[in-house]
Amino acid sequence: AQSVAQPEDQVNVAEGNPLTVKCTYSVSGNPYLFWYVQYPNRGLQFLLKYITGDNLVKGSYGFEAEFNKSQTSFHLKKPSALVSDSALYFCAVRDSGATNKLIFGTGTLLAVQP
Amino acid sequence: DAGITQSPRYKITETGRQVTLMCHQTWSHSYMFWYRQDLGHGLRLIYYSAAADITDKGEVPDGYVVSRSKTENFPLTLESATRSQTSVYFCASTGQATDTQYFGPGTRLTVL
Repeated sequence: AQSVAQPEDQVNVAEGNPLTVKCTYSVSGNPYLFWYVQYPNRGLQFLLKYITGDNLVKGSYGFEAEFNKSQTSFHLKKPSALVSDSALYFCAVRDSGATNKLIFGTGTLLAVQP
Repeated sequence: DAGITQSPRYKITETGRQVTLMCHQTWSHSYMFWYRQDLGHGLRLIYYSAAADITDKGEVPDGYVVSRSKTENFPLTLESATRSQTSVYFCASTGQATDTQYFGPGTRLTVL
């Protein structure tokens, strides 16, 4: 069965420092991987996705993610964190088959301290 | 405005009452989804629909009913609400031309 894991419930980083939010996946076949961000009392906003091609994917708000097939990981990164990046981040994988269903991780709360 | 909307945004109800949460999208996306968000569980799929009049169960369908008579609407009904259904509910949609799901703003439901 397809699954994703976000091993950290919370990540703390100082403003200006690089940040990484971890995600590992388990799929049969080629993975379709996504990152979403959720600000307080808001819906999920799409950040970026990996379907095929370059392993480094660039997305919104300066975020990027690196697809690593051998480590089955898709970590979210940003070179310099902002306080405004503080939010809940979700990794997701598209389910196999033709249903377009997403399977989400449990989320990682990113806290950026000024 | 184009997009995906949900109503109501907040709802308080009592155990045993029927509640319907509405979802409307203007993109003519074929796929629509209902998720619930609970602490420690992330988002879990309740029901989804591949097209009008085609619906299927997700991971946690018990206690919920859906319908999709029109492409743009996907209402979710709790036939007899229970306290365990207190949650934040998100609707999402995606189409044939995109791999990305787009989410509504959510409905916060409290069952007393």
